Amino acid sequence: DIQMTQSPSSLSASVGDRVTITCRASQSISSYLNWYQQKPGKAPKLLIYAASSLQSGVPSRFSGSGSGTDFTLTISSLQPEDFATYYCQQSYSTPRFTFGQGTRLEIK
Amino acid sequence: QLQLQESGPGLVKPSETLSLTCTVSGGSISSSSYYWGWIRQPPGKGLEWIGSIYYSGSTYYNPSLKSRVTISVDTSKNQFSLKLSSVTAADTAVYYCARHAVSGYYYYMDVWGKGTTVTVSS
Repeated sequence: DIQMTQSPSSLSASVGDRVTITCRASQSISSYLNWYQQKPGKAPKLLIYAASSLQSGVPSRFSGSGSGTDFTLTISSLQPEDFATYYCQQSYSTPRFTFGQGTRLEIK
Repeated sequence: QLQLQESGPGLVKPSETLSLTCTVSGGSISSSSYYWGWIRQPPGKGLEWIGSIYYSGSTYYNPSLKSRVTISVDTSKNQFSLKLSSVTAADTAVYYCARHAVSGYYYYMDVWGKGTTVTVSS
């Protein structure tokens, strides 16, 4: 099974900061990597698919990069509504998926 | 606009079978472009993929749950369902259904239900 490891598990940042979250796969998954945002009490929301493709309607301050085993999600300028938990997910073994453990982004 | 809605009992006794249904509206579950799946989230924890189904009935399960999970589809009702047997307190979670869309060879979960809370307790 492909394991996904995110870092950090949590981080504190301020509005306007540039933030980067990392996701590492236990084996190469090419660009089969998605990112989701989840707010408390809500379903996850797709942000990025295929490692770097922005889902329709998602603000351009969100971007994704990477291939192989190492991936990043970057928020260029944090907005108040961006404080949430972020999950990576591999789709290399579709339709068998694996999520990372999540990164909680908190207000400093 | 496509919508998914989970339904089923919110309380299940230990050792019994959890049964949930996801109703798809605003689109057809029989489209060849999509898979449909279940994901769960225990209280305060992360997301766990449970399994997925294609409209033809082909199923794929998380190996850690495979012995207890059955996912089925009813195209006439535009629904798919989850059954999880022999539940314990560890199965207490919010259960989500989601559509798996594709762009090229890249699959992703683009439409989610709001989730339903299932508690396992006597």
